[in-house]
Amino acid sequence: DTGVSQNPRHKITKRGQNVTFRCDPISEHNRLYWYRQTLGQGPEFLTYFQNEAQLEKSRLLSDRFSAERPKGSFSTLEIQRTEQGDSAMYLCASSRQGAGEQYFGPGTRLTVT
Amino acid sequence: LAKTTQPISMDSYEGQEVNITCSHNNIATNDYITWYQQFPSQGPRFIIQGYKTKVTNEVASLFIPADRKSSTLSLPRVSLSDTAVYYCLVGDLYTGANSKLTFGKGITLSVRP
Repeated sequence: DTGVSQNPRHKITKRGQNVTFRCDPISEHNRLYWYRQTLGQGPEFLTYFQNEAQLEKSRLLSDRFSAERPKGSFSTLEIQRTEQGDSAMYLCASSRQGAGEQYFGPGTRLTVT
Repeated sequence: LAKTTQPISMDSYEGQEVNITCSHNNIATNDYITWYQQFPSQGPRFIIQGYKTKVTNEVASLFIPADRKSSTLSLPRVSLSDTAVYYCLVGDLYTGANSKLTFGKGITLSVRP
């Protein structure tokens, strides 16, 4: 399978714990995006990388959130001191620069208890 | 970013052609219109994209009038598996700085036997 993959698919954590998600984009895609989706809403943009550079962060991305893409390949999204409001589906997408189509992974569903 | 307006939901029956409309009155000159499909617990999937007139691919057709203030996604002969949320997005995906996607709530299409 050469699509976008995300791990884990599901994560249950207690409030206050740290969690880290991984995204492996399509190999030839140099752009990588993180979105968050809550029930009944469309995905909301969080942040975006072009190669290893993080070029934009949404105001939704509080200082408890950090994302990296160290070698311009896979990316990680870490949430520190999780809160119940962080419960959501976290989606990763990738694309080629200049391409209008983004390819989404299956998402990581986070539940904070 | 141009805002889109879609109905919340619509129903159809298997075998029918379904036309889903989207309003985007403030669309900008460089904006493209893109439609994504999302099944429960999956990431969105690109369906079709266009700038003006008509675009057709193996899955759907997209009709865009001359003023580009609206668009219609046409799904031929829907099946039960077409039951999903459909998002209409507009944005400058090619010359824009980052091509991030801005999703609304989408329209839930329910196909009945």
